[in-house]
Amino acid sequence: NAGVTQTPKFRILKIGQSMTLQCAQDMNHNYMYWYRQDPGMGLKLIYYSVGAGITDKGEVPNGYNVSRSTTEDFPLRLELAAPSQTSVYFCASSYSPALAENTEAFFGQGTRLTVV
Amino acid sequence: AQKVTQAQTEISVVEKEDVTLDCVYETRDTTYYLFWYKQPPSGELVFLIRRNSFDEQNEISGRYSWNFQKSTSSFNFTITASQVVDSAVYFCALGHYGQNFVFGPGTRLSVLP
Repeated sequence: NAGVTQTPKFRILKIGQSMTLQCAQDMNHNYMYWYRQDPGMGLKLIYYSVGAGITDKGEVPNGYNVSRSTTEDFPLRLELAAPSQTSVYFCASSYSPALAENTEAFFGQGTRLTVV
Repeated sequence: AQKVTQAQTEISVVEKEDVTLDCVYETRDTTYYLFWYKQPPSGELVFLIRRNSFDEQNEISGRYSWNFQKSTSSFNFTITASQVVDSAVYFCALGHYGQNFVFGPGTRLSVLP
C-alpha cells in the first residue's frame, strides 16, 4: 500500500539548474497538490490538479510548472532554480468531491530541496 | 476568502500537562471540512482528524480531543496528559469540495520531560 510517493527525498541544486520532482499515487485519486513548506512556516499551495489534463495555480506558482498526463502522476518542474526555492516540497492527493466523506489529503514524505 | 489562523506559534509544556492548540478559520462556504495534521521532527505529515461543517459534535480519541464551534469558527485541539512523543508541529487545515486545502501556519508544541 504505497499511497503517495515522492522522489527524490533530498536534492541540492545550483542556481539556474532545472529539475523535476516526481509524485505518484496509487489510490486513484483525482485531486493532487503540490505544497512548499519554508523553514518554520506552514504549507503554501503551489499548483493543484482536479484530474488528468487539468491543472491550476495555487498561492505561489511562480517559478514552477506542472503537468498531469495521467491520474497517477503529478510532477513539479523547476526551470531555473533560485535560492528562494529552497524549501521542503510536499505532494498530496485526495478523493474527488463526489466522495467527500473521504476528503482527506494524503501526503508524500516530502522532498528537501536546497538551491545554492 | 479562506483562511486558517493558528495564533500560537510555539507552546512549551511539561509532560503530563494538558495543552490546547487553537485554530480559527474563515470561509464563506457552508460546506467545508476541517482537519488537524501532525508533523513530527521526522518531517512527514500525519492525518489526525477530519470534521465536516455539519457535524459539531466534539470528538475524543484517546488523549486527543477536538472542540468544533461554528459560532466562533474555531476547531481547537486538546492533548490531555501530554507526552514527549507529542512534540511536533500541528497544522489545522480547511478544505472545500472541489478546491484545495488551506493550511494554517502551524503551532510548534514542545513537551518537556
